[in-house]
Amino acid sequence: GQQLNQSPQSMFIQEGEDVSMNCTSSSIFNTWLWYKQDPGEGPVLLIALYKAGELTSNGRLTAQFGITRKDSFLNISASIPSDVGIYFCAGQLGGGSEKLVFGKGTKLTVNP
Amino acid sequence: GAGVSQSPSNKVTEKGKDVELRCDPISGHTALYWYRQSLGQGLEFLIYFQGNSAPDKSGLPSDRFSAERTGGSVSTLTIQRTQQEDSAVYLCASSLGTGHTGELFFGEGSRLTVL
Repeated sequence: GQQLNQSPQSMFIQEGEDVSMNCTSSSIFNTWLWYKQDPGEGPVLLIALYKAGELTSNGRLTAQFGITRKDSFLNISASIPSDVGIYFCAGQLGGGSEKLVFGKGTKLTVNP
Repeated sequence: GAGVSQSPSNKVTEKGKDVELRCDPISGHTALYWYRQSLGQGLEFLIYFQGNSAPDKSGLPSDRFSAERTGGSVSTLTIQRTQQEDSAVYLCASSLGTGHTGELFFGEGSRLTVL
């Protein structure tokens, strides 16, 4: 089945630093998305990407849809304490398949 | 309601008992998903509904797991003869179902503990 390899598994950074995480797959996806999960809550959508090569920003967050359609990255600039949480990449095959496959997550810790 | 609502938020049950988990999606959302999240793990796809139909139920782990959706709204996930490995947080999500279908809105989950 389709699997997403997300790295790194965890990150410990200082407030103000930039962060980068990525996701790769052996399968081609038509849509890539990034979600964030806070403790005790469900994931919340951060950014959705629909075209290969697309680069999209949402405030301090920037994500790119890889040109091969098999990867995506998420950057967070000038991290702040509330960025703490687990970040998940997700891919959707499209073409009639609406199933959304998730990576295992990157746990981010920001030290003030 | 304003968001996806799941109940119960917590359920502790004994091995071998049946459990039902309920999901109320956002009004007007035709697509509904169930995922399972074990401690410290990613989200494992279980089943997807479009309206009352389930075009993809490939993630259901065994025949002890079933789900239904009625009236294009509320969904129930049933686990029969629960086992300890069923312990996890069960997350429900809904989306508009057309266009950007990957844009899911999640509930807070139902935490299931099987003793």
